[in-house]
Amino acid sequence: NAGVTQTPKFRILKIGQSMTLQCTQDMNHNYMYWYRQDPGMGLKLIYYSVGAGITDKGEVPNGYNVSRSTTEDFPLRLELAAPSQTSVYFCASSYDRGAAGGSGETQYFGPGTRLLVL
Amino acid sequence: QKEVEQNSGPLSVPEGAIASLNCTYSDRGSQSFFWYRQYSGKSPELIMFIYSNGDKEDGRFTAQLNKASQYVSLLIRDSQPSDSATYLCAYRMDSSYKLIFGSGTRLLVRP
Repeated sequence: NAGVTQTPKFRILKIGQSMTLQCTQDMNHNYMYWYRQDPGMGLKLIYYSVGAGITDKGEVPNGYNVSRSTTEDFPLRLELAAPSQTSVYFCASSYDRGAAGGSGETQYFGPGTRLLVL
Repeated sequence: QKEVEQNSGPLSVPEGAIASLNCTYSDRGSQSFFWYRQYSGKSPELIMFIYSNGDKEDGRFTAQLNKASQYVSLLIRDSQPSDSATYLCAYRMDSSYKLIFGSGTRLLVRP
């Protein structure tokens, strides 16, 4: 199993450009998440999905869009990039939300995409 | 008030010592608690999860949860230089899919 894979690893964007961050998991997980991590900070949830065709906003969704057409893929779209979107983006997946006492909600993270907007 | 509070550190301990990492949270509805380790430039990886009050041990790691006092801690026994990393505390409320992360505590284990 490759686990959670993300592409690209690093990208420089100019202000106003758009791009799509790719995320794929091969663990047949229902739940997928996009986080951003600013330097010295914890992770903030951007969007999440509980299954193909179902997505919802997290804490910081403005400036981003997602889609989930398959169980495996969960791309994150940045429209009109801004310097405030300079960050490291992590995709994660889990089997389920988890009932208390279970390990199914363990989130597995991809290696991250470092994005610089200039 | 931040939802999850962690001392940013660095917490410096000698090799072989016990490292104690603490985390307080504000939401009494929190049900699930997690400790993630993150090496510099890498992605977070789960160390421990705990749901019930008390202690949970896994090898050199012990998580302690006290819901009444709203804190969760991580003890690392026989600390090794390879334990040097940032440790992120997170919790999830029972009604939510969302994990709330703290900013992390940087641990430095001196050889």
